[in-house]
Formats: sequence, C-alpha cells, structure tokens
Amino acid sequence: AQSVTQPDIHITVSEGASLELRCNYSYGATPYLFWYVQSPGQGLQLLLKYFSGDTLVQGIKGFEAEFKRSQSSFNLRKPSVHWSDAAEYFCAVGRHYGGSQGNLIFGKGTKLSVKP
Amino acid sequence: DAGVTQSPTHLIKTRGQQVTLRCSPKSGHDTVSWYQQALGQGPQFIFQYYEEEERQRGNFPDRFSGHQFPNYSSELNVNALLLGDSALYLCASSSDDRGAKNIQYFGAGTRLSVL
Repeated sequence: AQSVTQPDIHITVSEGASLELRCNYSYGATPYLFWYVQSPGQGLQLLLKYFSGDTLVQGIKGFEAEFKRSQSSFNLRKPSVHWSDAAEYFCAVGRHYGGSQGNLIFGKGTKLSVKP
Repeated sequence: DAGVTQSPTHLIKTRGQQVTLRCSPKSGHDTVSWYQQALGQGPQFIFQYYEEEERQRGNFPDRFSGHQFPNYSSELNVNALLLGDSALYLCASSSDDRGAKNIQYFGAGTRLSVL
C-alpha cells in the first residue's frame, strides 16, 4: 500500500540550531515527493518538491531535502532554525497514473517547536 | 493574483444537517482536489474534479459529494453530518497541463464543527 511515515510527532530545537525532519515513503513507482508547512489555523504552503534529477532539492525559507531511493526517504533539513519556523510539517507523495496527475498522500506531520 | 480561496472560514452544524463548502481555484488552474484534515492528522484525500467531472475519489462515503462549475470553482457537500465529520476541509488547485508533475496549491481551509 502507498503510504508516508513521519516518525517524529513533535520535535523541539533551539533557535539557530540545525534541523532534520524525517520522512519515509512506500510507493511502487517513481515517487513525486513534497514537503508542506502549516502554521496554526492556516492551509498548507509548499516548501519544496522532487520530481526527478538532482536528489538534493532546494526550497523556500532556506529549507532543503534529499531524496534517497535506497532508503525510501526524503528528509527535510535546515542549517539554522528561526523562531518563525515553528509550525507543523507534512511530507507527501503524489500519486500519478502514467501521465495523469493524482492525489497527494500525506504523513501525519511533525510539529516543530523552537526554543529561544 | 489571488490564490486558492475557500468559504466560509468557520462553520458550526448539528448532527444530521447538510453543509456546502466552496472553493475558488488559483488563476489559471483547472483541477480542484478536496482533503479532510482531522485534528492532529495529515490531510486525507476526498476527491478530485476536472472538466466538471469527478476524476478520482478517496475512501469516503457517498455522503460526501461535490461539483465543479464551468469557471473551475468547486463545492463540497456533506449530507447527514456526523460528529466525526468535524475537521478542517482543505481545497487544493492545480493545472492539468502539467500532467503528473503538477503542484497542488492549498487554500486556508474551512473549519467545520459538528455538534
């Protein structure tokens, strides 16, 4: 079955420290992978995406993610966290049917808290 | 350029009632998807509309239905509301001409509370 697992429900880091949020996926074909961020009471904002090519992808707000096919992982990283990064982060895999677009399958999310 | 807009922002209903949620896609987008996000969970796919037809459907009962209009806007209808339908309902729009490599842009959602 297609699925996304985010092992960490809640992570707390100090401002200025580095961050890594884990994501593992299960998908039979080439995965299209996404990271979204959700601030309280808000919708989802796209941070970055992976379709193909370079396995290290850059996103907005200084985030990056690395696709590792052998580990079925797509971990999100940031070298120095800012207080404004406190939010919930969702990893998603995009289902696709040949050339047609499909829906997103989300993990349960990781809540990030930032200590001053 | 307006992004994805959803209305209303909040809604309170009673068990057994019916509700309609609305979504206007981002300019230039022709595909609308709806997701349900229960508290503490990731969004779950309800269905997707393209060319005024339901193209895909997730594992939701027939009480959940939708519609897409010629201007690409969409409605989500839920009949016979249950307490378990309380959630944030998210609309996402995308452009079909990107095929499988589409990016879905989300609205801020409608918070539905069923009492």
